[in-house]
Amino acid sequence: KAGVTQTPRYLIKTRGQQVTLSCSPISGHRSVSWYQQTPGQGLQFLFEYFSETQRNKGNFPGRFSGRQFSNSRSEMNVSTLELGDSALYLCASSFLTGANSPLHFGNGTRLTVT
Amino acid sequence: DQQVKQNSPSLSVQEGRISILNCDYTNSMFDYFLWYKKYPAEGPTFLISISSIKDKNEDGRFTVFLNKSAKHLSLHIVPSQPGDSAVYFCAALNRDDKIIFGKGTRLHILP
Repeated sequence: KAGVTQTPRYLIKTRGQQVTLSCSPISGHRSVSWYQQTPGQGLQFLFEYFSETQRNKGNFPGRFSGRQFSNSRSEMNVSTLELGDSALYLCASSFLTGANSPLHFGNGTRLTVT
Repeated sequence: DQQVKQNSPSLSVQEGRISILNCDYTNSMFDYFLWYKKYPAEGPTFLISISSIKDKNEDGRFTVFLNKSAKHLSLHIVPSQPGDSAVYFCAALNRDDKIIFGKGTRLHILP
């Protein structure tokens, strides 16, 4: 079974631009969540989607948005990029939501904003 | 406001000895706790979990202990092996299924 696939692996953007990251979950998984990893803050939850609906949202500004498609694939968009948005963005999928469905992570997209 | 804290950024342990990674939390409404392990250039992988109704869960070399009164959990790895060198994240789930991660502890297993 293929794992969680994130594309692209690396991205370099300049301040003010916008970026879209893509995530393909494990086949059969309906929940997709996104995380930002930075050296100072660790892993921070961005949002979670289940069956195309946003279930939960972290404490990030509205510049960060996402969506999930009917095939469970998900995209995350960051508009008006700032230097502080440079981070590793991780996507995770799970069969269901909650405690009995551990997260399966992709290898991430490393975003650098210059 | 950091609700899940891993106060040790790094830890070095001799191969074959016990590794103990600690995690503190502030929110008594958390009802499930998990540990994830992360190698460089890879996403985290699930290691072990524990429900708030239990105080211990064991899986092979990995044991997680939960002390609810102290709002503290720990991950024990016995015996430690070179492949255990990684960053370990403690995480907690609240009743809305929102997951909160700690900042991670980098474990170095020394030969």
